[in-house]
This record gives sequence, structure tokens and C-alpha cells, in this order.
Amino acid sequence: DAKTTQPPSMDCAEGRAANLPCNHSTISGNEYVYWYRQIHSQGPQYIIHGLKNNETNEMASLIITEDRKSSTLILPHATLRDTAVYYCIVSWDSGAGSYQLTFGKGTKLSVIP
Amino acid sequence: DADVTQTPRNRITKTGKRIMLECSQTKGHDRMYWYRQDPGLGLRLIYYSFDVKDINKGEISDGYSVSRQAQAKFSLSLESAIPNQTALYFCATSDSRRGRETQYFGPGTRLLVL
Repeated sequence: DAKTTQPPSMDCAEGRAANLPCNHSTISGNEYVYWYRQIHSQGPQYIIHGLKNNETNEMASLIITEDRKSSTLILPHATLRDTAVYYCIVSWDSGAGSYQLTFGKGTKLSVIP
Repeated sequence: DADVTQTPRNRITKTGKRIMLECSQTKGHDRMYWYRQDPGLGLRLIYYSFDVKDINKGEISDGYSVSRQAQAKFSLSLESAIPNQTALYFCATSDSRRGRETQYFGPGTRLLVL
């Protein structure tokens, strides 16, 4: 399974864009990049996922490099409620058409007033 | 009502006791998962199920068992609880018809084994 590397922590000023990087240099051609976040000790919340193309939804944008070895999650206007641990995950094929997620330690994002 | 619910939300038990954690979902998803999270760490997969009666071991299944008697319910049992099973436990669901593993998580069960 492809591993990911994320900085352990980042700060972002409220109202500014938060750019969270992730390296996944061993990603395979059919593996997706997922982003989840966990606020305090709540259940992880799905944010966005992508394969090759950049993706955008109501929560965030996902920028994947052309070689797919890294990606960036962008929260366009960070608020205090975006303070959380953000997990970058590469789904891996566990067989029988199932793709699993492996959670690392993530990046703790602190949004500062 | 929440789509994925877990009971109990908090539990304190003693070493050697058998306990069961329950997960229910109203999302109509076929796949369900149990994870544990230790302080400062990410989630680790314990067991997962693709359908009723289907059971698969995850990364850390030793000391745990599960049951999937209905599509909407997935229970996790600790046959004889030990202190290092103290952790935060999460249930998750996903829909195989959607193709990829977008998982939706419950609120968690905080377990303390004394």
C-alpha cells in the first residue's frame, strides 16, 4: 500500500487559504488520494478525493501533481472550525474489488484568529 | 438522526470482562468497518464486512471478534478485555455501488479497561 508523508503540524490565519501538502511518491496508477479530517476526537469526516485531475467541492480543493507523487488540499478561507487533524490517504487494493484506507498521523492544522 | 450511530459512547470495564460495542447505520451501505484509535495516532483497521455474514480481518484483529447479522448492524466484541485495548473505537460504512471507499464514520466509543 502506498504510504503518505505529511507535516505533523501547520498554522493558518483565519480567513486565509490553508494549503496542506502530502507526498505519496509510491502511488500506483489506480490508487486514489483521499482526504479526511478529524475534529478533536470526533469521527473522521470525508473531505474530498481524486485520481489524476484536480477536484473541488463545497469544502475544499484538491490539487494533484501531474506525476501524482504529491497533492495539496486547499481550504480557501479557513475558519476556526477548520482546526483539526487532516489525513491524506492513498486507498489500496485489498482484493475482490475492495479498496482500503490506511490512516497515518496526519497534519494538525491550527487556525489562528 | 445520525446516519451512523455507536453504542455505548463511553464504557469503563475491568480486565477479563467481555464487552460488546454496537454500530448501526441508516445509510443503506453494504460495507462496514471497525477501527481503533490510540492517543496521537491514526486509525487502525480491526475488522471489516462487505455484506451480511461476510467477515474479514484487518490490521489488528487479535483479541477482537465481530458479528454482522444484518446489513445495518455490525458489532465488535472484546472476549476478555485487557488494558491495552483502552482506545477510541470508530465504526464506518461505505457503499460498494459507489465504487471507491468513501467511508462515513460514527461518533466513536471511548473504552477504558482497568
